[in-house]
Parts: sequence; structure tokens; C-alpha cells
Amino acid sequence: EAQVTQNPRYLITVTGKKLTVTCSQNMNHEYMSWYRQDPGLGLRQIYYSMNVEVTDKGDVPEGYKVSRKEKRNFPLILESPSPNQTSLYFCASKPGQDTYEQYFGPGTRLTVT
Amino acid sequence: GEDVEQSLFLSVREGDSSVINCTYTDSSSTYLYWYKQEPGAGLQLLTYIFSNMDMKQDQRLTVLLNKKDKHLSLRIADTQTGDSAIYFCAVMFSGGYNKLIFGAGTRLAVHP
Repeated sequence: EAQVTQNPRYLITVTGKKLTVTCSQNMNHEYMSWYRQDPGLGLRQIYYSMNVEVTDKGDVPEGYKVSRKEKRNFPLILESPSPNQTSLYFCASKPGQDTYEQYFGPGTRLTVT
Repeated sequence: GEDVEQSLFLSVREGDSSVINCTYTDSSSTYLYWYKQEPGAGLQLLTYIFSNMDMKQDQRLTVLLNKKDKHLSLRIADTQTGDSAIYFCAVMFSGGYNKLIFGAGTRLAVHP
């Protein structure tokens, strides 16, 4: 089954404790991205990647890192999480930069205390 | 800059039609989307329309696009309780890397 998976689905952590949210897709998509969803703000893009070893900042990249060492994986790294990073995070992928349909993962709800 | 706006709440009676509206600021749009998010779930692509189209119909869903006014709407006919969800309008803008901008989401409540 074609899908985007994220792990973990739920995470409660404390300020300053490094964490990684994994994202994997099995569709051989070139383009992957991370969004955060906050009430009243919709989804905002954090980082995106157009292919292996090619990443760039989205609209709200502060406090996040990403890497794209293989095509299928695009982990989101919070080196020193803070309470304002409490949010619902979505990973997404699509075949290429110019294709229209983006596939979303199930979401990761992160709480930073 | 690019911005997408939606009203935050809509309440309708079961069986009525729902119309969710969206406006955007930049005319360089390519694709326009409607996503549905049910409680605790991810995003489900409901439908999309190319920017050179005026209307698209898909079963109970009708999408209308007015490019002159930069206005997109989603009409759900015969709204059911299972349609209760948050509906996101999203616009892909050309240039750069084809950026996708989301609205804040409209929470649709369907009551008997």
C-alpha cells in the first residue's frame, strides 16, 4: 500500500531534550516536506526537500533541522525543543516538484513541557 | 505575498447544502485544493481544481473558482453528520518550488 508513515504518532517530552520524528514514504517520491498545524493558523511548512541531499527552509524553520540521506526518509530533528514547538506535525510527499497531489502522513502530536 | 484565508466556523443542518469559502491573494496559482481533516486524523485530499477551470463536480462536491476575485468555494450537497470535520483550502503558487499555502481551516458542524 502506497503511504507516508510517521513515528511516533504521539510524543510528550521536556524542554531541551533532543528528539527526532521519522517520516518514510514507499512511493519513490522525490519531493518531501514537513508541516506544523496550529489552531487558527492552518498548516505551515517547516522544511522541504526536492531530492536526496537537497533541502531548504519553508516558512517556519527556526528550531528545526532535517536531513535527506535517502529518498524514502525525511526525519525532522528538534535539537532543543521548546514549549512553542508543541504542535501537530505532518510529513508529506509527492512525485516531483511540479506534480499536484501531495500525500500526507497521519500526523505526530508533540507536546513539549 | 501569498496568503489564503477562510472563515473558521460553519454550522449547517443535516440535509442542507454547505458552502465553504476561501480567498487568496496571489494570482500566480496553479492548483487549488480542498482537504478534509476528521478529528484525530490526518489530511484527506477531497478534490482539486486547476487554475484554468471554473468549476469541478465530484458526486456531492462542487468546487467553484472565480479567478478574477481570487475566490474558491466548496459546496457539499445533502450534508451529513459524517461530513463534520475541518476543511482546509490550499493553493499551490507557481514560481520557486511550487509552494503550497494552506488556509486556517473551516470547522464544519452538522446538526440534526
